[in-house]
Amino acid sequence: EAGVAQSPRYKIIEKRQSVAFWCNPISGHATLYWYQQILGQGPKLLIQFQNNGVVDDSQLPKDRFSAERLKGVDSTLKIQPAKLEDSAVYLCASSLEQRYGYTFGSGTRLTVV
Amino acid sequence: GNSVTQMEGPVTLSEEAFLTINCTYTATGYPSLFWYVQYPGEGLQLLLKATKADDKGSNKGFEATYRKETTSFHLEKGSVQVSDSAVYFCALSDTGGFKTIFGAGTRLFVKA
Repeated sequence: EAGVAQSPRYKIIEKRQSVAFWCNPISGHATLYWYQQILGQGPKLLIQFQNNGVVDDSQLPKDRFSAERLKGVDSTLKIQPAKLEDSAVYLCASSLEQRYGYTFGSGTRLTVV
Repeated sequence: GNSVTQMEGPVTLSEEAFLTINCTYTATGYPSLFWYVQYPGEGLQLLLKATKADDKGSNKGFEATYRKETTSFHLEKGSVQVSDSAVYFCALSDTGGFKTIFGAGTRLFVKA
């Protein structure tokens, strides 16, 4: 089966600019997650979708981050405006059921200068 | 709340050495437990899992046993290879399967 696709792989932007990341999950996986992984740390959940509804966005900085999952398939994560501390790898994952584990994409490495 | 604690790295071993990476957790109920591996420049990959007490997850020579009495899920491998060099993350999914949290990761270096 095809894996979780993410793009772009790398992005460099200046602070206060905006950026968007795209994710296409494994076909049939109803649950989609966006994680932020700062260098040297474990992934931190930003937002979780079940189909096209939001299940958990408690750690999403809503003043600058937004995400959507149209038609319960692809998802886009946006940052506007970006700050230096947003430099991280943004990982998308999908699952059939959490208790069986996730499949992660390769991530997008964002550098804010 | 739920939490996962891993041993700090980096762990440096010679090829064919025995590996143990400790992981302990705090959770109510009966969580599922996981080990993920992250190779340089890649996303995390599920390495193994265990969904109930005394289960042993295994894959690619790695194994871990779900010990409820000690709230632990230590990762072991009998003989590591250079290609095992990566960051290893312990994780748990709560009883309802609603939320998964990750440990901070343990970096493993294997020298030839």
